[in-house]
Amino acid sequence: AQSVTQPDIHITVSEGASLELRCNYSYGATPYLFWYVQSPGQGLQLLLKYFSGDTLVQGIKGFEAEFKRSQSSFNLRKPSVHWSDAAEYFCAVGGNTGGFKTIFGAGTRLFVKA
Amino acid sequence: GAGVSQSPSNKVTEKGKDVELRCDPISGHTALYWYRQSLGQGLEFLIYFQGNSAPDKSGLPSDRFSAERTGGSVSTLTIQRTQQEDSAVYLCASSFESTQYFGPGTRLTVL
Repeated sequence: AQSVTQPDIHITVSEGASLELRCNYSYGATPYLFWYVQSPGQGLQLLLKYFSGDTLVQGIKGFEAEFKRSQSSFNLRKPSVHWSDAAEYFCAVGGNTGGFKTIFGAGTRLFVKA
Repeated sequence: GAGVSQSPSNKVTEKGKDVELRCDPISGHTALYWYRQSLGQGLEFLIYFQGNSAPDKSGLPSDRFSAERTGGSVSTLTIQRTQQEDSAVYLCASSFESTQYFGPGTRLTVL
């Protein structure tokens, strides 16, 4: 069965430090992979997505993610975190066929300390 | 262009009443999802419409919940005989090539 696992419920990093949020998925074929961000009291915004091609994808707000097929992972990274990055981050996996619904992970809440 | 819109933005109702939540997807998007998000929680999948296929209702928590999508566009989520545990933000997303675009949500409060 298809699934998405975000192992970390919450993470705290210092402002200016680097960030890596983990995401592992289970899917029978090449997946479509996504990261969304939800700031407090806000809706979900797409950060980046991977469909095919270069396994390192760049997104908005300075985020990037790397697709590693051998590890079934799609970890999100940012070299230097800003206080405004404090939010909930959701990883999602979708299929390239119309009948497969996109599945979301449980989310990782990021706290940024000064 | 216009994004996904949802109405109302806030709804306060009394326990036992029925409510209808509306979602207007992005034009041309064939897939539409409903989710529920309780305070501080993740996304709880409710229902998924894809084109003319039968909807995937596997996430609906009880038979008090139903949804329809008319003409492949606007969708309505109906909750009958609301309970206090139904209080949450209800999110709609329309999708193109698996990329979901979310609406701002409807905050439902059941007193």
